[in-house]
Amino acid sequence: AQSVTQLDSQVPVFEEAPVELRCNYSSSVSVYLFWYVQYPNQGLQLLLKYLSGSTLVESINGFEAEFNKSQTSFHLRKPSVHISDTAEYFCAVTKNSGYSTLTFGKGTMLLVSP
Amino acid sequence: DTGVSQNPRHKITKRGQNVTFRCDPISEHNRLYWYRQTLGQGPEFLTYFQNEAQLEKSRLLSDRFSAERPKGSFSTLEIQRTEQGDSAMYLCASSSRIGLAGETDTQYFGPGTRLTVL
Repeated sequence: AQSVTQLDSQVPVFEEAPVELRCNYSSSVSVYLFWYVQYPNQGLQLLLKYLSGSTLVESINGFEAEFNKSQTSFHLRKPSVHISDTAEYFCAVTKNSGYSTLTFGKGTMLLVSP
Repeated sequence: DTGVSQNPRHKITKRGQNVTFRCDPISEHNRLYWYRQTLGQGPEFLTYFQNEAQLEKSRLLSDRFSAERPKGSFSTLEIQRTEQGDSAMYLCASSSRIGLAGETDTQYFGPGTRLTVL
């Protein structure tokens, strides 16, 4: 079984500041890792994913995450946030063989203020 | 195709009533998942279909819950004799392992159905 820990339930930050949202996972098998974003009263949108290859993955809106196998982490970073980045961010893991359901963390609310 | 769709978006019902939600996945996706999300929590897995076959059910899926995917396309989730504890956002996701490079097991979510049981 897999599990995900998101260490911060809420991260307040000022606009244009850098941010890091932390995610650690636990699994006895190899995994795929995902970050999803959820805006108020909406479903989840895929932000970025690690399946294989380069451990640094990027999204189209400036977020990046690095898969660190030794530290079992997949932290999400952005060098300069915008007000519109205010949302809940969920880290998720699934095993990388056969079908597998997603196991989510409890989420981190990113609050960007002017 | 614009993505996964779910109907209704909101449902308010009285305790004891039955409700049914519908999910239409991305058309070429053969895998469909249902999740439940309560306030302040991440989504939790309920059940999974590959084509029309229901292959896995979570312990969260009590006997009052039933899901179907009769023709391997859309799916329905029914809750009988609703309880206040059923109030949550019900999310549907779909994915495919067939022929889409780089899309292995990447789940795409619908907007969800928010259920309020009074």
